[in-house]
Amino acid sequence: AQSVTQPDIHITVSEGASLELRCNYSYGATPYLFWYVQSPGQGLQLLLKYFSGDTLVQGIKGFEAEFKRSQSSFNLRKPSVHWSDAAEYFCAVGVVTGGGNKLTFGTGTQLKVEL
Amino acid sequence: ETGVTQSPTHLIKTRGQQVTLRCSSQSGHNTVSWYQQALGQGPQFIFQYYREEENGRGNFPPRFSGLQFPNYSSELNVNALELDDSALYLCASSSPNRLNTEAFFGQGTRLTVV
Repeated sequence: AQSVTQPDIHITVSEGASLELRCNYSYGATPYLFWYVQSPGQGLQLLLKYFSGDTLVQGIKGFEAEFKRSQSSFNLRKPSVHWSDAAEYFCAVGVVTGGGNKLTFGTGTQLKVEL
Repeated sequence: ETGVTQSPTHLIKTRGQQVTLRCSSQSGHNTVSWYQQALGQGPQFIFQYYREEENGRGNFPPRFSGLQFPNYSSELNVNALELDDSALYLCASSSPNRLNTEAFFGQGTRLTVV
């Protein structure tokens, strides 16, 4: 069965600093990987996804992530964090079946941005 | 805005009661998945419906059941509510017509069981 580990429960960065959120996955085949962001009391918004091809993927809001098969990782990065980036971030691995994606999520990383 | 709508947004129920949550999928999507997100946790897959049939289920007891209608909207029903059922319930719609399909989430229904 697939699983996702997000080792950092909370991260605090200063506005303008760079950010890296870690994600490690376990899956027997080529994974479909996602990063979602969730603001308090809200649903999930897709930041970016990896299915195949270029291992560095660009997403919305200036985020990017790099797929490293040898390390089973899919870390999320942003060169300069904005105060509005404060939210909870979830990494997920997807299993594609005949009916579509079934996602397994990590426990999330809460990002706090200091002004 | 994803086009996936859920109702109601908030709900308070008493232990032992039954609840029905509703989801309208995004236009063109015929697959709906339901997730439970307990406080401080990541979402957990409950089940998925594709063309009105259950298409996979997570580790949830049978008192969690669902339906999908011909217009692809969906319901999640929970019987004999327990305190631990208090959570944010998320609905996601997707289309399996492309290999690289992605799921679009609604805003969720916050269920509180007292």
